[in-house]
Amino acid sequence: EPEVTQTPSHQVTQMGQEVILRCVPISNHLYFYWYRQILGQKVEFLVSFYNNEISEKSEIFDDQFSVERPDGSNFTLKIRSTKLEDSAMYFCASTTYRGSYEQYFGPGTRLTVT
Amino acid sequence: DQQVKQNSPSLSVQEGRISILNCDYTNSMFDYFLWYKKYPAEGPTFLISISSIKDKNEDGRFTVFLNKSAKHLSLHIGPSQPGDSAVYFCAARANTGTASKLTFGTGTRLQVTL
Repeated sequence: EPEVTQTPSHQVTQMGQEVILRCVPISNHLYFYWYRQILGQKVEFLVSFYNNEISEKSEIFDDQFSVERPDGSNFTLKIRSTKLEDSAMYFCASTTYRGSYEQYFGPGTRLTVT
Repeated sequence: DQQVKQNSPSLSVQEGRISILNCDYTNSMFDYFLWYKKYPAEGPTFLISISSIKDKNEDGRFTVFLNKSAKHLSLHIGPSQPGDSAVYFCAARANTGTASKLTFGTGTRLQVTL
């Protein structure tokens, strides 16, 4: 069964450093998302991406964040200058939006900012 | 702004009984609702969904009921099995255009006891 994959599974970085989180969505999906979950809190939407551009972004997704689909398979989230409060699980999701709205999530990347 | 609420942080049910997880929402623009199951250190796994034009959807042991007038939905798992022990998230989608985001509740931790 096709699945969303994410790398790395765990990333430790120092405050102020840049990180890139990578995702490979399900191959025939057209819509891509990033969500995050701070420990003990709910899953929060960050950004959605379709047709090579951002469709919607939350207020969390400020100028320090960017997304890119550099080729036909990868979808990346970049945080330019990490802060302590960026520590969270980051989930990539994708969907086809053909008759259903289920989003399929990857296993997540745990980002720890020290 | 808690548009999706799961008021029970935890629930314990005996194996073989029916588990009932509840979810309330406030946004009248939500038109599609989903339940996800999540194990620690994994991504949310899609379980079952329901459109706002329906009041019930069934898939094996999982049944979701929607009461639009009360802005309430529930997930019934029956009979419950120990492997069902996980955190369950209710999520909702508003038809705001392509690539609409999901808004999640805070989750209910279900423990199925022997």
